Amino acid sequence: KAGVTQTPRYLIKTRGQQVTLSCSPISGHRSVSWYQQTPGQGLQFLFEYFSETQRNKGNFPGRFSGRQFSNSRSEMNVSTLELGDSALYLCASSGTGLAGTYNEQFFGPGTRLTVL
Amino acid sequence: DAKTTQPPSMDCAEGRAANLPCNHSTISGNEYVYWYRQIHSQGPQYIIHGLKNNETNEMASLIITEDRKSSTLILPHATLRDTAVYYCIVRVGTGTASKLTFGTGTRLQVTL
Repeated sequence: KAGVTQTPRYLIKTRGQQVTLSCSPISGHRSVSWYQQTPGQGLQFLFEYFSETQRNKGNFPGRFSGRQFSNSRSEMNVSTLELGDSALYLCASSGTGLAGTYNEQFFGPGTRLTVL
Repeated sequence: DAKTTQPPSMDCAEGRAANLPCNHSTISGNEYVYWYRQIHSQGPQYIIHGLKNNETNEMASLIITEDRKSSTLILPHATLRDTAVYYCIVRVGTGTASKLTFGTGTRLQVTL
């Protein structure tokens, strides 16, 4: 079974630009979560999508948004990039909907975003 | 989600057991203890989870104290590939609500 894939793996942008990152979950998984990892703040939860609906949201400004498609693929968008948005963005998928099973999160390799 | 406290770093000799402690004194009755690890430059990887009973799988064992205020992750025979940051996470339930609150974790260094 293929794992979680994220594209692109590396990205360089300049301040003020916007960026879109993509995540393809494991086949059959319906939940996709996004996390930001920086040396200063560690791993922080951004938001979670389940069946195309945002189900949970972390404490990030409105410049960070996401969406999920009917095939469970997800994208996150960051508008008006700031230097502090430089980070590793991780996507995780989980949830086959099987009752009684633990829906562990499977993480992708991440997209490393550098804002200059 | 309850707060967790872990030592910032630990060393372990290869082949020996690595015992990683975690304090979660404010844990409530419906909160589970989860362990994930992150090997350098990779996404975190699920290891194990438990509610109140000790748990074991092919990767590790989880020992939870009777009062549930602390737990220990045990890697029985650590190898160099186990060098990683280990995160202890406490959260409600095991369902599809997938928010994980990561702390600063324990950086485990396995040496020859």
